[in-house]
Amino acid sequence: EVQLVESGGGLVQPGRSLRLSCTTSGFTFGDYTMSWVRQAPGKGLQWVGFIRSKAFGGTTEHAAAVKGRFTISRDDSKSIAYLQMNSLKTEDTAIYYCTRYNWNDPESAFDIWGQGTMVTVSS
Amino acid sequence: DIQMTQSPSSLSASVGDRITITCRASQGIRNDLGWFQQKPGKAPKRLIYAASSLQSGVPSRFSGSGSGTEFTLTISSLQPEDFATYYCLQHNVYPRTFGQGTKVEIK
Repeated sequence: EVQLVESGGGLVQPGRSLRLSCTTSGFTFGDYTMSWVRQAPGKGLQWVGFIRSKAFGGTTEHAAAVKGRFTISRDDSKSIAYLQMNSLKTEDTAIYYCTRYNWNDPESAFDIWGQGTMVTVSS
Repeated sequence: DIQMTQSPSSLSASVGDRITITCRASQGIRNDLGWFQQKPGKAPKRLIYAASSLQSGVPSRFSGSGSGTEFTLTISSLQPEDFATYYCLQHNVYPRTFGQGTKVEIK
């Protein structure tokens, strides 16, 4: 069974850091570009960024709202994607989801999502 | 950035109604679009990929159409379990962008 499980969320003060993990199983993680999407309370979905698979360079793209503060990485040996969040702001408060996409398989585009992890930035 | 304009933002409908939700892209995105359903407290669930392909296991009353800049999600006969919020997502270019969402409520 394909699974994505986010962890690492919690309450953090503005200006501090937090690292989220997306632990996966049931598929060949290395073949997939991994994305992070967030949802502020009562709001819509917002793309945060992605990390390409190694076959596509393993590079990252981030949304303007988080660029320079958030960094996505991956450990293919552990099948985990990470979202390092630095200099957190109150507006980063949201549920953070991870999702997958194998660029060689259009049918896989964002087909599976984790359950999400809540990040609350507050003093 | 590509803007995805989704309409309506909300709608009230009855069980058995046919409803259509539209997403318009500010520039052409081929068919690189998905539709997602989200219920309160749950993760998004993919319904449609490549603009018109039905996700395995999703009821056939859901359908998607369009290419380029205009896309639609249609539910042919609304069922009680379909009351939720629906989003489109373009993945033709980055930043990826979602529509603002359409909340489907019971009339």
